[in-house]
Amino acid sequence: AQRVTQPEKLLSVFKGAPVELKCNYSYSGSPELFWYVQYSRQRLQLLLRHISRESIKGFTADLNKGETSFHLKKPFAQEEDSAMYYCALSALGNQGGKLIFGQGTELSVKP
Amino acid sequence: DAGVTQSPTHLIKTRGQQVTLRCSPKSGHDTVSWYQQALGQGPQFIFQYYEEEERQRGNFPDRFSGHQFPNYSSELNVNALLLGDSALYLCASSLSGVTNQPQHFGDGTRLSIL
Repeated sequence: AQRVTQPEKLLSVFKGAPVELKCNYSYSGSPELFWYVQYSRQRLQLLLRHISRESIKGFTADLNKGETSFHLKKPFAQEEDSAMYYCALSALGNQGGKLIFGQGTELSVKP
Repeated sequence: DAGVTQSPTHLIKTRGQQVTLRCSPKSGHDTVSWYQQALGQGPQFIFQYYEEEERQRGNFPDRFSGHQFPNYSSELNVNALLLGDSALYLCASSLSGVTNQPQHFGDGTRLSIL
């Protein structure tokens, strides 16, 4: 079965603390993994994708095929990072095709 | 560029009615996908349209149908509405033929069924 699991519905940290949002997946083929973010009163937007291997707003995520995980990390959280984060996957090379989303994790960064 | 635009923003219907939601893709995009997001859940894929044809479909009943027009805009139709159809409906667009193009999302239409 194709599935994305985000075990934490809510993650609360203090400003400056490290953050790790967990994402595990189940997929029979070669997946492409994404993190989408939704800030308050804004639309869902792409944060990063594993094939780009880039750091966006200080966030990084490494695809671990052995553990089927794609955890999102940031060494020092900022208050403006507070948002809803969704992990998603699609078939690798699937040109803008079907995305399978996790349930989302709400990140709250306290001052 | 306004990006992906959806209308209406909010809609209230009663059980058994029919509804049509509309989406205009981001300029230059030719592929439109629809997602249903229930409260507290992640978006679930309904279907995708390209070249006015349904290209992929998720696990949704036939009550959910769509259409894509020559200008790439799209409609989502839901017949015989059920209380469980209450959700945020998201439209996303992308450019086909280009590998690994990300999808761009609209603000969504919030559908409430009474």
